[in-house]
Amino acid sequence: QQQVKQSPQSLIVQKGGISIINCAYENTAFDYFPWYQQFPGKGPALLIAIRPDVSEKKEGRFTISFNKSAKQFSLHIMDSQPGDSATYFCAARNRGFNKFYFGSGTKLNVKP
Amino acid sequence: DAMVIQNPRYQVTQFGKPVTLSCSQTLNHNVMYWYQQKSSQAPKLLFHYYDKDFNNEADTPDNFQSRRPNTSFCFLDIRSPGLGDAAMYLCATSRLMGEQYFGPGTRLTVT
Repeated sequence: QQQVKQSPQSLIVQKGGISIINCAYENTAFDYFPWYQQFPGKGPALLIAIRPDVSEKKEGRFTISFNKSAKQFSLHIMDSQPGDSATYFCAARNRGFNKFYFGSGTKLNVKP
Repeated sequence: DAMVIQNPRYQVTQFGKPVTLSCSQTLNHNVMYWYQQKSSQAPKLLFHYYDKDFNNEADTPDNFQSRRPNTSFCFLDIRSPGLGDAAMYLCATSRLMGEQYFGPGTRLTVT
């Protein structure tokens, strides 16, 4: 049973456009929601993260929107650039177990 | 710079020949994780340590073992690698209830 569901599986966006990736969860024990960016052959890099007491967090062109009641959160990449082309994973941490549960990933392709 | 280091970056082993992957960290984090990641898939947690406390995932094959001799180092031992064990192996660390940081990974090839 997948604890974090991520969509879409792949995404093509024109340069300058907005990329939106969505995740949903069920477990109310999750208390921390990071997003990771992974380039081919590299380890995932922490991009931005949010805690459930905040509805939005912005860092540069990257914004997380969090809807606690709907148990959904999303990553918005503004002014998407070809260098943003990578696979993005959402994740959620179970506060009782130090464990992170990952979404299935979204492969983003930003066209020049 | 403080970081998570994995060695080797690329490892080729023969079917059934034991192999050890290593991870070290300069972050002084008390939690260390080993993940397996196959192509186009999410990282899959194999096990993690909170200090010396070892936590094995229920679906981690017995073929995979781990050691953490001290805070800085953690090892992944694959006792008898099969073709299905070819993957990227990722080490990650975090403080208790803190952010998780990944190393660059070790790409394992089984011939």
